[in-house]
Amino acid sequence: EDQVTQSPEALRLQEGESSSLNCSYTVSGLRGLFWYRQDPGKGPEFLFTLYSAGEEKEKERLKATLTKKESFLHITAPKPEDSATYLCAVQAGNDYKLSFGAGTTVTVRA
Amino acid sequence: EAGVTQSPTHLIKTRGQQATLRCSPISGHTSVYWYQQALGLGLQFLLWYDEGEERNRGNFPPRFSGRQFPNYSSELNVNALELEDSALYLCASRKRGPGETQYFGPGTRLLVL
Repeated sequence: EDQVTQSPEALRLQEGESSSLNCSYTVSGLRGLFWYRQDPGKGPEFLFTLYSAGEEKEKERLKATLTKKESFLHITAPKPEDSATYLCAVQAGNDYKLSFGAGTTVTVRA
Repeated sequence: EAGVTQSPTHLIKTRGQQATLRCSPISGHTSVYWYQQALGLGLQFLLWYDEGEERNRGNFPPRFSGRQFPNYSSELNVNALELEDSALYLCASRKRGPGETQYFGPGTRLLVL
């Protein structure tokens, strides 16, 4: 069964203090690794898809990287509006369902 | 382009009742997925519909069921509601093909009293 583990569970940052979130996974036949951002009480918002080891994607202050066993989401010079729960999910097999990690809740203080 | 829409936004039911949740996918998306996000728990896969058929279901009892209509919209039914069914129910849609992204709706918050 697919397993996705995210760390840390929570991260408190000062505005401008860069950091990284980790997503380690065990899956057979990875089709894609996805990062989402979720604000309280709302649906997840898509950020990135990574398909193969070595791939990197960037969007504003966020950068996602992928190795064969884990993915990192780097937040550079975060702002308070980056506060959210960041979810990692893997897609494998022929049903394309997503298996999610528990998420990392990021709080950025001004 | 309009995103995934879900209705209602909130739903309050009592134990033993039935709940019906609705989802409209992004135009051009044929697959609809349902997930449950209970408080303190991660997103758990519930059901997958594609081209009007149920293709797979997660580890949930049969009282969780649904269907997909010819216009690819979908309905999730939860029978004999239990207190632990209280959760945010999320619908996602995607195009066909490996690696295609699932886009989520805003969710329906179900509260069972």
